[in-house]
Amino acid sequence: DAKTTQPTSMDCAEGRAANLPCNHSTISGNEYVYWYRQIHSQGPQYIIHGLKNNETNEMASLIITEDRKSSTLILPHATLRDTAVYYCIVRDGRETSGSRLTFGEGTQLTVNP
Amino acid sequence: DSGVTQTPKHLITATGQRVTLRCSPRSGDLSVYWYQQSLDQGLQFLIQYYNGEERAKGNILERFSAQQFPDLHSELNLSSLELGDSALYFCASSAGTYIGNEQFFGPGTRLTVL
Repeated sequence: DAKTTQPTSMDCAEGRAANLPCNHSTISGNEYVYWYRQIHSQGPQYIIHGLKNNETNEMASLIITEDRKSSTLILPHATLRDTAVYYCIVRDGRETSGSRLTFGEGTQLTVNP
Repeated sequence: DSGVTQTPKHLITATGQRVTLRCSPRSGDLSVYWYQQSLDQGLQFLIQYYNGEERAKGNILERFSAQQFPDLHSELNLSSLELGDSALYFCASSAGTYIGNEQFFGPGTRLTVL
């Protein structure tokens, strides 16, 4: 799986948009970009994933650059409960039975009142 | 609530002992994954089962073993425990289909080896 690079930490004001960047310059054509988050010692929580196109769900939006070498996770109106470590993960989508998640260090997002 | 359950929540035991961690996947999910999270190693993939068969192995020690039963629940067995095995152990499940395959994690079992 391609390696990802994320900032170690970020701060965001409550109610503002949180934009979390991720670089994955070695991503291959079969690899998807996934985002998970982990709120202090809880199980990681799936947020969103995408291949090429921008994606949006009830939790967040995912913007993938045209060359697919980087992406941004957007939490449109961050709340204190969004304080967590956010992981950007690239994984092959061809494995029909699923495949492991390789977690890096992630970004510690702190939402301030 | 992800729909994945893990028992027990906490486990305290002594070095040299053996423990079993249990995981029940979301209804209908065929794939089960085990991950270990320790302070110095981060979240690491241990092993995956798909419909009862081992599918992938990660950084799993030989002292550790797992299985997935016909009802799809899974157990992770840790033996000859060492202090360094103290960690959070997460189980995750996924549908095991080609598209998506997002994994849903349980709340974890916190293992403390004294």
